[in-house]
Amino acid sequence: GQQLNQSPQSMFIQEGEDVSMNCTSSSIFNTWLWYKQDPGEGPVLLIALYKAGELTSNGRLTAQFGITRKDSFLNISASIPSDVGIYFCAGPYNNNDMRFGAGTRLTVKP
Amino acid sequence: NAGVTQTPKFRILKIGQSMTLQCAQDMNHNYMYWYRQDPGMGLKLIYYSVGAGITDKGEVPNGYNVSRSTTEDFPLRLELAAPSQTSVYFCASRKTGGFDYGYTFGSGTRLTVV
Repeated sequence: GQQLNQSPQSMFIQEGEDVSMNCTSSSIFNTWLWYKQDPGEGPVLLIALYKAGELTSNGRLTAQFGITRKDSFLNISASIPSDVGIYFCAGPYNNNDMRFGAGTRLTVKP
Repeated sequence: NAGVTQTPKFRILKIGQSMTLQCAQDMNHNYMYWYRQDPGMGLKLIYYSVGAGITDKGEVPNGYNVSRSTTEDFPLRLELAAPSQTSVYFCASRKTGGFDYGYTFGSGTRLTVV
């Protein structure tokens, strides 16, 4: 079945640094979604991408839908302590449900 | 709006016991899902429902059952708990149609089977 591979698995950065993470798929996706999971909570949608090449921002977050439609990137600029959490990429598996990557765990040191 | 509400938040079960994880949403979403999250493994789909009275298996359905008698509620049943079912369980819902808005997730149920 479709696999979503996220990298890196974890990141330890200093407050104020920029962060980049990515997600690749063995299949083409028509939609890419990025979620953030705070400790002890469920994932929350950050950004949705609908078109190859699309670049979308949400505050300090910017995500891109890769031209090949098999990858997506998420960047966080000027990280702050509340950026800590797990970031998941996701994409539709079929008409009914999505597949999720294993997540990138972000730690921000003050 | 409460969104997606899951109960309980935590539970410890003994091997062989049964329990039901509750999930309710107040957004009139047709689609509802149950995922489990194991450390470093992302989210795996257990069961889903596209509307009241309709359910279907996901990637990892063994050991679980679901029912969907109303639009609002989608309980997940564990009949004979096993240590392999120790996990965090998330319920989610979405509107009918495309994935434009993604899923709304509950805050999870942390289950330990000992």
